[in-house]
Amino acid sequence: NAGVTQTPKFQVLKTGQSMTLQCAQDMNHNSMYWYRQDPGMGLRLIYYSASEGTTDKGEVPNGYNVSRLNKREFSLRLESAAPSQTSVYFCASIPGQGNNQPQHFGDGTRLSIL
Amino acid sequence: DQQVKQNSPSLSVQEGRISILNCDYTNSMFDYFLWYKKYPAEGPTFLISISSIKDKNEDGRFTVFLNKSAKHLSLHIVPSQPGDSAVYFCAAPRGSNYQLIWGAGTKLIIKP
Repeated sequence: NAGVTQTPKFQVLKTGQSMTLQCAQDMNHNSMYWYRQDPGMGLRLIYYSASEGTTDKGEVPNGYNVSRLNKREFSLRLESAAPSQTSVYFCASIPGQGNNQPQHFGDGTRLSIL
Repeated sequence: DQQVKQNSPSLSVQEGRISILNCDYTNSMFDYFLWYKKYPAEGPTFLISISSIKDKNEDGRFTVFLNKSAKHLSLHIVPSQPGDSAVYFCAAPRGSNYQLIWGAGTKLIIKP
């Protein structure tokens, strides 16, 4: 079972470049999330999608855009990368909101902005 | 405002002994808590959870205790095994979007 798949696993960008991080889940989940994790900190929510066709901002959305392409896929785009966006990015999904269901995570994308 | 706090960045425990990881929270509206385990270069994986209507939840070697009056929860692992070496996060869902608010994590090292 693949679960949540993130691509690429690693990426190095120069300041000002753009890039899209891909996420796909094969569990037929409705809700998907993008988090970033910085050293010494917990994960922080960037954007989420409660269902196909909807997206909303999380705690730290500045500098990012998202697309919920279909039920399976939720992409995160950096239009003009900045060194402050150097981080590990995690995508997660749950069957639906409510009922306190644990989120399932991908293995992350490690992004460095020079 | 850090609503979920894990004040111990790391913890070292002898194999076979009990590991106790602590977590404090400030938001009294939290009514559900989760513990995740994370190995290097992998995503977090769900370990155990507890609802605020309970004060204890047990799953094999893992037990989570919740003290609502102190706004404190702890994860007990007994006996500790080498494979338990990982970073442990506590988290709580907030809002209708089920956003998880995370602690900074505690790195558990199990010594042979």
